[in-house]
Amino acid sequence: SQQGEEDPQALSIQEGENATMNCSYKTSINNLQWYRQNSGRGLVHLILIRSNEREKHSGRLRVTLDTSKKSSSLLITASRAADTASYFCATDSISGNKLVFGAGTILRVKS
Amino acid sequence: AAGVIQSPRHLIKEKRETATLKCYPIPRHDTVYWYQQGPGQDPQFLISFYEKMQSDKGSIPDRFSAQQFSDYHSELNMSSLELGDSALYFCASSLRTRANEQFFGPGTRLTVL
Repeated sequence: SQQGEEDPQALSIQEGENATMNCSYKTSINNLQWYRQNSGRGLVHLILIRSNEREKHSGRLRVTLDTSKKSSSLLITASRAADTASYFCATDSISGNKLVFGAGTILRVKS
Repeated sequence: AAGVIQSPRHLIKEKRETATLKCYPIPRHDTVYWYQQGPGQDPQFLISFYEKMQSDKGSIPDRFSAQQFSDYHSELNMSSLELGDSALYFCASSLRTRANEQFFGPGTRLTVL
C-alpha cells in the first residue's frame, strides 16, 4: 500500500462481537476516512474524521484518530453477518486532494 | 439521490486492444477522480480533473489517458492493454471545495485476456 498498513489483514469474529481494525499512515493529513467494500464491488463511505478530531461516532461505528502516532482505528460494535466486507482507511493530504488508501482489512462475521 | 455512474460495468478485452471507460459524476460535482484496484489490492489513485483540466496525477501508465468534458463527465482511455491492467476501475466525484468528500461509482471491472 502507498499509505501504510492496516491491522489486522483479516479478522474473523462471531456475530454480536466487536471488531476493531487499525490503520497507519505516513504523511500529514487533512482527513481520514473509512470505506467498506463488499467482495469486488463499490466503495461505500462510512465515516470521515478530520485531523483536529480525536473520536467520532456513527451508529455502531466508532473511529479514533491519533495524529501523533499517525494511526486510526475503526470499531464496529455488535457486529452482524452483513458487516462481512473489506474495510479500507483513506487519507487526503494537505498537499493534494487524491485519496490514498491503506491495504484493507478483510472482516468476516460468522452467524 | 443520484450517484456516480460508470459504464460499462464489465469489460473483457484482449491484450494490445484499447478500452474506454466512462464516468458520469453526481450532478453539480465539478471534480472527477480515477482509481485502479487490482485483485486483492487497495485502490490506487490514477488521475483527477477539475473543470476539464488535469488537477492531480498518480500512478497512471503512459498508455492511459483521460479527459473531462464540458458536461463534467470523464473518460479513461487505455491502449495497448496488458494482462496486468485487469482490475476494478473506480471513478469518484466531488465538489472542488469539498474534495475530501469523494463519492465513488460502482466501478468497471476490466478483464484483459
